[in-house]
Amino acid sequence: GENVEQHPSTLSVQEGDSAVIKCTYSDSASNYFPWYKQELGKGPQLIIDIRSNVGEKKDQRIAVTLNKTAKHFSLHITETQPEDSAVYFCAALNPFMDTGRRALTFGSGTRLQVQP
Amino acid sequence: NAGVTQTPKFRILKIGQSMTLQCTQDMNHNYMYWYRQDPGMGLKLIYYSVGAGITDKGEVPNGYNVSRSTTEDFPLRLELAAPSQTSVYFCASSYDRPEAFFGQGTRLTVV
Repeated sequence: GENVEQHPSTLSVQEGDSAVIKCTYSDSASNYFPWYKQELGKGPQLIIDIRSNVGEKKDQRIAVTLNKTAKHFSLHITETQPEDSAVYFCAALNPFMDTGRRALTFGSGTRLQVQP
Repeated sequence: NAGVTQTPKFRILKIGQSMTLQCTQDMNHNYMYWYRQDPGMGLKLIYYSVGAGITDKGEVPNGYNVSRSTTEDFPLRLELAAPSQTSVYFCASSYDRPEAFFGQGTRLTVV
């Protein structure tokens, strides 16, 4: 089945700096890669996603890049602000597992702390 | 719109007790999901549903049951609670994007 590895597990940056979180996946059939932000005591919130037919997608200060050949994708946050502090999760979707079930496999998360 | 609403927010169960975690969404989404999140880990899919009357197992279904009698509701049942089921449970729903909306979670402790 799919395996998603996420690095780093913790990341501390100064306000205004950029932050990069990287994920690798194992199943070449995966075709959808979302990123979630989880604030303390809340559920994950979808912040950006990318499909396998594009290499990069931007939304204001956040961007995601995808390298299908290398099977890795990254989240880039520019001009970080204290409110960006949260746990970020990547995920990969294989629409058809060998059992016929669809599944979204999550990475283990990155705790981002933005220092004022 | 309230989005995805989970109840209760917190619960302590004794080993062997049963309970139902409630999840309801008001967005008319066809897909609904249950995940568990253990400390320092990602989310693991327990069960999901593609529409009323249709459910399927996810990665970690043992010890749980679900039903989907309406589009809005997707309750998760724990029949015989075990300490290994101590976790935070999240319900999610979506229409065209997988798992686009998550609830606030239910923190369950089994003692």
